[in-house]
Amino acid sequence: NAGVTQTPKFQVLKTGQSMTLQCAQDMNHNSMYWYRQDPGMGLRLIYYSASEGTTDKGEVPNGYNVSRLNKREFSLRLESAAPSQTSVYFCANSERNTEAFFGQGTRLTVV
Amino acid sequence: DAKTTQPTSMDCAEGRAANLPCNHSTISGNEYVYWYRQIHSQGPQYIIHGLKNNETNEMASLIITEDRKSSTLILPHATLRDTAVYYCIAILTSGGGADGLTFGKGTHLIIQP
Repeated sequence: NAGVTQTPKFQVLKTGQSMTLQCAQDMNHNSMYWYRQDPGMGLRLIYYSASEGTTDKGEVPNGYNVSRLNKREFSLRLESAAPSQTSVYFCANSERNTEAFFGQGTRLTVV
Repeated sequence: DAKTTQPTSMDCAEGRAANLPCNHSTISGNEYVYWYRQIHSQGPQYIIHGLKNNETNEMASLIITEDRKSSTLILPHATLRDTAVYYCIAILTSGGGADGLTFGKGTHLIIQP
């Protein structure tokens, strides 16, 4: 989706490895989010950032850390990847009075 | 945010109107009804939202009952590209909500040729 860029698009990790998923938006929105989606399931919120400099836990934060580097960028880090973190990860952004915009996702496999 | 209930799946013939129901019987007076869809393997896409009145945009129409306990998303002339999972979400604010969206399992709409 235009305006939200996620990198990488695909990644395979070994158990115990670390990595950072990057998200950047050019929409000048204050709020940014990280979701995960497991097969056949709806999206679940991992972490969110209501504004630059703030982050909060969502529904499933365990095993993840986030950084709101600036207004544009919101990264998600897996310090020690586990097979249970195999999922598709989506970044999104919004303002309080507008709809949310989602990226195309990062497909992560942990073996 | 109020819980929403949707059918698991629906079929619709190409070219016909697709009517997707959503039940939100516990919705409060200041909760909006939002609809998103997710085409296979892509990120969710916003469709439409409303509070009390019916709404229409270039993608769809949203009909909300007078008691606001249910709503219907209407895709007027469904095409094969409308095959997707459709999510109905009740949100407390007028926007996306600074604390994120709660997705259920949605309705898998299949458009038949």
